[in-house]
Amino acid sequence: EAQVTQNPRYLITVTGKKLTVTCSQNMNHEYMSWYRQDPGLGLRQIYYSMNVEVTDKGDVPEGYKVSRKEKRNFPLILESPSPNQTSLYFCASSPRQGASYGYTFGSGTRLTVV
Amino acid sequence: AQKVTQAQTEISVVEKEDVTLDCVYETRDTTYYLFWYKQPPSGELVFLIRRNSFDEQNEISGRYSWNFQKSTSSFNFTITASQVVDSAVYFCALSEGERQGAQKLVFGQGTRLTINP
Repeated sequence: EAQVTQNPRYLITVTGKKLTVTCSQNMNHEYMSWYRQDPGLGLRQIYYSMNVEVTDKGDVPEGYKVSRKEKRNFPLILESPSPNQTSLYFCASSPRQGASYGYTFGSGTRLTVV
Repeated sequence: AQKVTQAQTEISVVEKEDVTLDCVYETRDTTYYLFWYKQPPSGELVFLIRRNSFDEQNEISGRYSWNFQKSTSSFNFTITASQVVDSAVYFCALSEGERQGAQKLVFGQGTRLTINP
């Protein structure tokens, strides 16, 4: 089954404790992206990647890091989480043509930073 | 810059009523793509439709229909004979073409639709 898998689904952590949210896709998509969803703001792009070793900032990159060492994986790293990063996070992937085809989204990771 | 506005924050109707969700967009590109996604209470994002800027034909899929009007920069979504299972948050989104760097979907704020039995 074609899908984007992200883990964990739920995570509660404390301020400053590094964490990684994993994302993997099995569709051989070149483009991958991370979004965060906040009430009243819709979804906003954090980072995106156009291919292995090619990443760039989205609209809200502060406090996040990403890496793309393999085509299928695109982890999101929070080096020192803060309460304002409490949010619902989505990983997504898209074929070579990019966002014009829309993204396939993972099931989401609900992160709470206390 | 691209922008998507869903002015209706919440809508509540009784089952079997028709309901229209509004979406207005802004873009400077002549080539762009519009999307609707559904987010049920379980939280995942479900793709509903993709429409490119050169195709203004309306589309119908079962009880769902979409009205794309470039003249008013709108891409509205209508559910006919609504059902309780249609209760969800619905997002309209815009992508500006396929040029380098255009890898972003810009989302509206979402409309929370509640269908009451």
